[in-house]
Amino acid sequence: DAKTTQPNSMESNEEEPVHLPCNHSTISGTDYIHWYRQLPSQGPEYVIHGLTSNVNNRMASLAIAEDRKSSTLILHRATLRDAAVYYCILRRGGGRDDKIIFGKGTRLHILP
Amino acid sequence: DAGVTQSPTHLIKTRGQQVTLRCSPISGHKSVSWYQQVLGQGPQFIFQYYEKEERGRGNFPDRFSARQFPNYSSELNVNALLLGDSALYLCASTFGLYTQYFGPGTRLTVL
Repeated sequence: DAKTTQPNSMESNEEEPVHLPCNHSTISGTDYIHWYRQLPSQGPEYVIHGLTSNVNNRMASLAIAEDRKSSTLILHRATLRDAAVYYCILRRGGGRDDKIIFGKGTRLHILP
Repeated sequence: DAGVTQSPTHLIKTRGQQVTLRCSPISGHKSVSWYQQVLGQGPQFIFQYYEKEERGRGNFPDRFSARQFPNYSSELNVNALLLGDSALYLCASTFGLYTQYFGPGTRLTVL
């Protein structure tokens, strides 16, 4: 499985946008970029995923570089409830198994 | 709709004992995966079951085993517990590809 690289931690002020970077220079053509987050004392939850084009949903936006070697998760207006560990993950499309290979993620701190 | 449920919430065992953890997937989901999360680390994949068949296995010793029942619920068994097995055990279910829905986990402490 291709590897992703994320900063260990980031800080942001409440009600400001947050840009969480992820590098995945060895991504293959069939790898989807997924983001999950894990709030304190909870299991991970799906945030967003994409292949080539930028994606938006009610939780966040995903900006994917043209060469797909990096991506950025954008939280448009951070709240205290967004404080969590954010995982950037590559998942092969069409694979037989469904496993997720998690890294250490980025711990996001939101300052009031 | 109910999410993924896991039982028990917390569990304390001693070294050498055996433990069984249970997971009920979201209704209609046929795939269940198990993960181990040690404090400060990301979850590590243990098993995936789909339609009662093992689809994937992570790098865990044979002391770890699992099964899936006709109603798609699943059990994870760990024999001969070691101190290092202390962790949060997460279950996730999937309807189609890609999006996994995680339960709250079972916190296992081995003394």
